[in-house]
Amino acid sequence: DSGVTQTPKHLITATGQRVTLRCSPRSGDLSVYWYQQSLDQGLQFLIQYYNGEERAKGNILERFSAQQFPDLHSELNLSSLELGDSALYFCASSVETSPHEQYFGPGTRLTVT
Amino acid sequence: GENVEQHPSTLSVQEGDSAVIKCTYSDSASNYFPWYKQELGKGPQLIIDIRSNVGEKKDQRIAVTLNKTAKHFSLHITETQPEDSAVYFCAATLPTSGTYKYIFGTGTRLKVLA
Repeated sequence: DSGVTQTPKHLITATGQRVTLRCSPRSGDLSVYWYQQSLDQGLQFLIQYYNGEERAKGNILERFSAQQFPDLHSELNLSSLELGDSALYFCASSVETSPHEQYFGPGTRLTVT
Repeated sequence: GENVEQHPSTLSVQEGDSAVIKCTYSDSASNYFPWYKQELGKGPQLIIDIRSNVGEKKDQRIAVTLNKTAKHFSLHITETQPEDSAVYFCAATLPTSGTYKYIFGTGTRLKVLA
């Protein structure tokens, strides 16, 4: 158990809909990262937050957005969903922004039908 | 652009043999190189990491080597066991705008045959 929690574990929704994925980092970790993993694909970095502020953006679509709240939990919002958005979405946390081990949550499996 | 190449994509070894997975990174500013193991249905788990000021690091049956000049780093697993079967990812950190991005390789599916 990494100490990072993600909800829900599974999510099935229709095209055009909007969903919110939630992540709680390990106790004491200020940095939260979001990744997308499509079937048999590697991990694609989406976005990073540090202590409530956006710090880095990766290959995140404009239909996707995220935020980190004062209690350090983070939410990833996916809107106007398309079939191709079906994937595993992982959240990871680390102590700080300098290169440091990341701890991954169990992921949310999103299926868009 | 920033890139991490990982080889091979699949690897089958007999139990007790060694396994080697290799990664190459493109940006010489990268200075931290973690390796993750992902079992089916789970999130990636850090198994070992190395920083750029070190050439080799070992933890029991697992070792990582780094060649900064060639921008190569490798994962070595000795005396493989069936429970080592999983997908392994390498990563390199890239400094950007006051923080660091993690660039992951495409993964290696390791099968240890009993």
